[in-house]
Amino acid sequence: GESVGLHLPTLSVQEGDNSIINCAYSNSASDYFIWYKQESGKGPQFIIDIRSNMDKRQGQRVTVLLNKTVKHLSLQIAATQPGDSAVYFCAENTGNQFYFGTGTSLTVIP
Amino acid sequence: GAVVSQHPSRVICKSGTSVKIECRSLDFQATTMFWYRQFPKKSLMLMATSNEGSKATYEQGVEKDKFLINHASLTLSTLTVTSAHPEDSSFYICSAPNGPFRSGANVLTFGAGSRLTVL
Repeated sequence: GESVGLHLPTLSVQEGDNSIINCAYSNSASDYFIWYKQESGKGPQFIIDIRSNMDKRQGQRVTVLLNKTVKHLSLQIAATQPGDSAVYFCAENTGNQFYFGTGTSLTVIP
Repeated sequence: GAVVSQHPSRVICKSGTSVKIECRSLDFQATTMFWYRQFPKKSLMLMATSNEGSKATYEQGVEKDKFLINHASLTLSTLTVTSAHPEDSSFYICSAPNGPFRSGANVLTFGAGSRLTVL
């Protein structure tokens, strides 16, 4: 069958460095955003979320930045570890639906 | 925390047969569940929204007669791939909001996914 969507962009970082993963969303009415991590062969796991009335939110080793003007999200991972290697997706909540971005494949080089 | 159990994790079937995938919310009730399809190295594509006690809402381009969704209880939604063909081979993932669905207030909890291979 025909595959849909774009191929995943990739990002390689050295262990211990900081990672920045970017996401552009499409709907200016989206009011809630979530970053998910997906390891190979598994379902996505929640990392961090942010509402549209915020522009920054921090978690443990992760920070999400939201720029509503240009409809852009970023996920920053501090001191990246080998266990961070995975595909990262941003999701935007519009009405009662969640839509996922293309995703970025992060590889951490020991 | 909220847990969503999805079964089976892998299934191989012959072309023309039907396959049922179950998605259960284990410690919470889910009036809404979402079904996604994922191709290798691609993003998640929303197929349909499953609503307890009513018909599912399908995304544009998704054949509702091919992908039958039933949400018969507050903890169970099923996706049946009918008359499966090799092009239906994919990774199917369900998810549920962690409470009564409100825009901007829910985290989606995902099942582990089901890898379907149609020979």
